[in-house]
Amino acid sequence: DAGITQSPRHKVTETGTPVTLRCHQTENHRYMYWYRQDPGHGLRLIHYSYGVKDTDKGEVSDGYSVSRSKTEDFLLTLESATSSQTSVYFCAINGGGGQYEQYFGPGTRLTVT
Amino acid sequence: AQSVAQPEDQVNVAEGNPLTVKCTYSVSGNPYLFWYVQYPNRGLQFLLKYITGDNLVKGSYGFEAEFNKSQTSFHLKKPSALVSDSALYFCAVSPPSNTGKLIFGQGTTLQVKP
Repeated sequence: DAGITQSPRHKVTETGTPVTLRCHQTENHRYMYWYRQDPGHGLRLIHYSYGVKDTDKGEVSDGYSVSRSKTEDFLLTLESATSSQTSVYFCAINGGGGQYEQYFGPGTRLTVT
Repeated sequence: AQSVAQPEDQVNVAEGNPLTVKCTYSVSGNPYLFWYVQYPNRGLQFLLKYITGDNLVKGSYGFEAEFNKSQTSFHLKKPSALVSDSALYFCAVSPPSNTGKLIFGQGTTLQVKP
């Protein structure tokens, strides 16, 4: 398995509270991605990063922000969690430079009550 | 809009029979194509990819996929299904760019019965 960990693995939080999910990689890969998985929708890209401090929006970025201050860490923040953000969140990495496939972390199951 | 479609929510097949999981896409240019598998409560595992070249690509666990440019399809196949192949399968497309972003289909559950 690729060296990707996500924390926490499970979290229950209340509507309106801030939440930060962490993705950590040991592969020194340039590209990192955050997706959410919902039934009937597959996985949808939230934000991605193409280097330290370089990030961009994905398909479903509203209500989410990200930061990448080190190559190995990519943080996803829900500024004020809503019930519609209840989902499973996956981080992925890609080395670029001819490595076209992404490798995924184990996921974080977030429930917003 | 760019999209990926997996027309079957579930595919049922008997063990030992061939299986096909369908995928079509609507993406401009020459995209990269991927299949991933997800077992319960796990992350996605990469199975195979088409970048260029031979239309039939082989991947992990005996799976293969056939790229058809005229039909914009990338169907996943296996000659002889195993019960352990039962899982959720995702087709994904990466539009031509240098960011590697993926567009996923909604997923197809494969059920292989003994």
